[in-house]
Amino acid sequence: GDSVTQMEGPVTLSEEAFLTINCTYTATGYPSLFWYVQYPGEGLQLLLKATKADDKGSNKGFEATYRKETTSFHLEKGSVQVSDSAVYFCALSDRNSGNTPLVFGKGTRLSVIA
Amino acid sequence: DGGITQSPKYLFRKEGQNVTLSCEQNLNHDAMYWYRQDPGQGLRLIYYSQIVNDFQKGDIAEGYSVSREKKESFPLTVTSAQKNPTAFYLCASKGGGQYNEQFFGPGTRLTVL
Repeated sequence: GDSVTQMEGPVTLSEEAFLTINCTYTATGYPSLFWYVQYPGEGLQLLLKATKADDKGSNKGFEATYRKETTSFHLEKGSVQVSDSAVYFCALSDRNSGNTPLVFGKGTRLSVIA
Repeated sequence: DGGITQSPKYLFRKEGQNVTLSCEQNLNHDAMYWYRQDPGQGLRLIYYSQIVNDFQKGDIAEGYSVSREKKESFPLTVTSAQKNPTAFYLCASKGGGQYNEQFFGPGTRLTVL
């Protein structure tokens, strides 16, 4: 079945450092791809999304590009802030699967220190 | 504003008691989902419902029950058969469309004493 693999954390960075969180996927169909963010004690928020090859999703300085050839959707940010400390989840949705649940990675905890 | 509400935010129960967690959405979404999250862990799917009056077990359904009598509501009951019920519970919904993304509620933290 479909699966998502993301780098294990925790990731600790200094403020203004460059962030990359790797995400690769396995899917039989042609999925939509997502990054969600979860701040402490809260639900998941959709951070960005992409629906086809070479699409770039972006939001709040974060970016991810849908790479079909490498089946990847790596999350990047040029300069992280303390407020970016959270858990980040990569996910996919097979658009032919109707209302079945998204497939999530295990999450990567990011801590940004001042 | 459209969204998903979960109540209460914090819930305490004594061991051996059943407890029902509320999830309501006004997004007109057909599908709804319940997840469990333990400290420092990812999401585990408990139950989901693709349409009213239908639901399916997820990966960890034992000790839980659900109903879906209305499109906007998907309550989760944590029964006394659930051995380790203390956790953070998240509800989500999905309405199709181009991206087919899920939207999440704020969560309920259940503590069983």
